[in-house]
Amino acid sequence: AQKITQTQPGMFVQEKEAVTLDCTYDTSDQSYGLFWYKQPSSGEMIFLIYQGSYDEQNATEGRYSLNFQKARKSANLVISASQLGDSAMYFCAMRGLSGGYQKVTFGIGTKLQVIP
Amino acid sequence: DTGVSQDPRHKITKRGQNVTFRCDPISEHNRLYWYRQTLGQGPEFLTYFQNEAQLEKSRLLSDRFSAERPKGSFSTLEIQRTEQGDSAMYLCASSSSGFGGPGAVNTEAFFGQGTRLTVV
Repeated sequence: AQKITQTQPGMFVQEKEAVTLDCTYDTSDQSYGLFWYKQPSSGEMIFLIYQGSYDEQNATEGRYSLNFQKARKSANLVISASQLGDSAMYFCAMRGLSGGYQKVTFGIGTKLQVIP
Repeated sequence: DTGVSQDPRHKITKRGQNVTFRCDPISEHNRLYWYRQTLGQGPEFLTYFQNEAQLEKSRLLSDRFSAERPKGSFSTLEIQRTEQGDSAMYLCASSSSGFGGPGAVNTEAFFGQGTRLTVV
């Protein structure tokens, strides 16, 4: 079974500051992928960043980076230079062999609010 | 292509009525997924199609739910005899082939904006 845990229901960050959103996962799979999605109030899930379990380097996509610590089973999202448009729900997710690779398991999300 | 589109965006129905939602995936994507998201939760997997074949169904998909993808393009999700517990956001996603097996887990799914169902 796969499980994603996001323990921060809500986070505040000052505009232009960096923020870290926590994510831990549990799986018995050796090969898996970790994702972060952003969901603004419009409802659409927007893909942000991906980390493979065999990737040795942390993934980066623009202002987003994924702090992958495999031994701790954590995959925290770091957003640098926060912008007002970053205010949204953020979901950590994973897929792996035990989920048939087709099913993405999501956490309950963290609501980020960027303060001007 | 402008991405995954879903119709309608909002649906209010009376308990006991049937409803049908439509999803148009990104045109070159052969894989299509339906998820359900209730308030305060992350999306939960419902079902998955590869082309027109429905390959996986979650236990969340009761007998009142049926999904089709007749020509391997758009998909419909029908809920019969709706109940108040069916009120949720129904999300559709699509992805390209080549996903599956070790080393091939990085094909992200692209989501639509969802259909918000309210059963009164």
